[in-house]
Amino acid sequence: QVQLQESGPGLVKPSGTLSLTCDVSGVSISYNNWWSWVRQPPGKGLEWIGEIFHSGTTNYSPSLQGRVTMSVDKSKNQFSLKLSSVTAADTAVYYCGRTGYDNDDKSVARWGQGTLVTVSS
Amino acid sequence: DIVMTQSPLSLPVTPGEPASISCRSSQSLLHSNGYNYLTWYLQKPGQPPQLLIYLGSNRASGVPDRFSGSGSGTDFTLKVSGVEAEDVGVYYCMQDLQTPRTFGPGTKVDIK
Repeated sequence: QVQLQESGPGLVKPSGTLSLTCDVSGVSISYNNWWSWVRQPPGKGLEWIGEIFHSGTTNYSPSLQGRVTMSVDKSKNQFSLKLSSVTAADTAVYYCGRTGYDNDDKSVARWGQGTLVTVSS
Repeated sequence: DIVMTQSPLSLPVTPGEPASISCRSSQSLLHSNGYNYLTWYLQKPGQPPQLLIYLGSNRASGVPDRFSGSGSGTDFTLKVSGVEAEDVGVYYCMQDLQTPRTFGPGTKVDIK
């Protein structure tokens, strides 16, 4: 059973950097699928942040490009998100997930429980 | 970016009755491999999104067969043959044909 768990500070100061880690269990992070982040501001819809492959290849949302960085740590079977220069608009529940398709063209999509990050002084 | 729209945005339903949600994309989601890269998620209150349908019409493992997805190109539909109380929540369509991946605004389904 694949499980993902987000961790990181729940409160970040404006202009600071939001840093989250996603611990993956039940599958190797070296599996050929994407490792993704989405976020959901309180009471609003889902917003795609970006994705990373185990090789380090990344795709980021153009609206966040320049502020977002993702990385993979194979030794810890985890991946991470950093978002710099945060403002109150970055307050949201952040979800990490496994996305993409397996060799039989079956979706592997699964998301962690999410973690609320509040940007406030 | 591909823009995703959904209708209706709110859908009150009677248990046991069918329900249908429409999703449209600003560009075709049909890949040259024949697959439509359209995914449906259900987000129940206080929970993460859970996968319902992928590649337009394939039910994910464990998803009841009362859920079905159809459509091709730019027009897609999610149908629930007989809504149960546990089906309440917000339904999102998402395209994963290209980056940035984009979600629809969501359709909130609740019981009348």
